[in-house]
Amino acid sequence: LAKTTQPISMDSYEGQEVNITCSHNNIATNDYITWYQQFPSQGPRFIIQGYKTKVTNEVASLFIPADRKSSTLSLPRVSLSDTAVYYCLVGGANQAGTALIFGKGTTLSVSS
Amino acid sequence: KAGVTQTPRYLIKTRGQQVTLSCSPISGHRSVSWYQQTPGQGLQFLFEYFSETQRNKGNFPGRFSGRQFSNSRSEMNVSTLELGDSALYLCASSMTSGSDNEQFFGPGTRLTVL
Repeated sequence: LAKTTQPISMDSYEGQEVNITCSHNNIATNDYITWYQQFPSQGPRFIIQGYKTKVTNEVASLFIPADRKSSTLSLPRVSLSDTAVYYCLVGGANQAGTALIFGKGTTLSVSS
Repeated sequence: KAGVTQTPRYLIKTRGQQVTLSCSPISGHRSVSWYQQTPGQGLQFLFEYFSETQRNKGNFPGRFSGRQFSNSRSEMNVSTLELGDSALYLCASSMTSGSDNEQFFGPGTRLTVL
């Protein structure tokens, strides 16, 4: 799986938009980009997944430029409950089996 | 629909003992993966089972093993426990195998080795 690089931590205030960028220079043609959220002492939770351009769901948007060497998770109007660790992963359907490779993630702290 | 369940939620063992953790995937899911999470190493992939067969294995010693039953439930076993095995063990299930599939994680089993 392609290695990812993302900021260790980010701070924000309630109501602000938060953008977390992830670099994945060695992404393969068939790799998807997936983001997970994890609260302390809980398992990660799927947020969003995309292949190219822009994907939006009820909780976030994912922006992927044409070269796909990076991606940006956008969280609109964050609240205190969005304080968590966010992981960016890349992996493809062409890979035999499942083997999510988690990096250190980005710890997002939201203050009031 | 019930989520992924893991039992027990907490476990305390001593060095040298062995332990078995259980995971029940979401109904209809055939892939079960196991992860170890520690403060120092973060989330690390242990192995994946799909249709009762191990499909992938992470870089862990042979003391870590697992299996999957015909109903997709999975167990993970750690023999000859070491202090460093203290961790949160997470199980994730998905409908089919492949890293592009959404993984649904359980709450984890917190293992403490004394």
